[in-house]
Amino acid sequence: AAGVIQSPRHLIKEKRETATLKCYPIPRHDTVYWYQQGPGQDPQFLISFYEKMQSDKGSIPDRFSAQQFSDYHSELNMSSLELGDSALYFCASSFFQGHHSNTGELFFGEGSRLTVL
Amino acid sequence: AQKVTQAQTEISVVEKEDVTLDCVYETRDTTYYLFWYKQPPSGELVFLIRRNSFDEQNEISGRYSWNFQKSTSSFNFTITASQVVDSAVYFCALSELRDSGGSYIPTFGRGTSLIVHP
Repeated sequence: AAGVIQSPRHLIKEKRETATLKCYPIPRHDTVYWYQQGPGQDPQFLISFYEKMQSDKGSIPDRFSAQQFSDYHSELNMSSLELGDSALYFCASSFFQGHHSNTGELFFGEGSRLTVL
Repeated sequence: AQKVTQAQTEISVVEKEDVTLDCVYETRDTTYYLFWYKQPPSGELVFLIRRNSFDEQNEISGRYSWNFQKSTSSFNFTITASQVVDSAVYFCALSELRDSGGSYIPTFGRGTSLIVHP
């Protein structure tokens, strides 16, 4: 079965550069989530989108922005990169079935590892 | 305050031992969902189980079993006859209804690193 596809899998950037991560959800999934996992840390929720609109916001820095496109893929844009942005970035997707049936069962991609030098 | 507490940072066992990973959660909601994810050294997050707050039945899946107890707000995970391939970081997660967007989004614990020695 098709899973969540993230690209690139690995990315190396210098401080103050910009980076863009892409996420292609499972077919028919309409909701996309972004998580950031620092070294030795738990995944932290950044932001989510449902039907191209931002649906929830977590601890996403102002230097980061994201959007969801008409084909439901999403991009996370990170500017003025800092050393502390080095992390594994997960995208996850789900099919929204209504507030009380959307249980938070997310299907995660394999992650994009960003290294900032 | 941490909503999901995994007090065991690292557990080291020898193959074939049984091991229990603890998870204690905190919520005021009556409807919530609990999850366990496995993160092997390759980095991906592998879904293991989901439990809703109304279903306290324990579950067994092969060598894996889960003990959900609302009275103690715990959702512990036991691996029977552990194997080297079980070595990974295991995350417990809690989904509550978020006021902002009205959806359930998992909040993860800090994870427990399980090392199974041959």
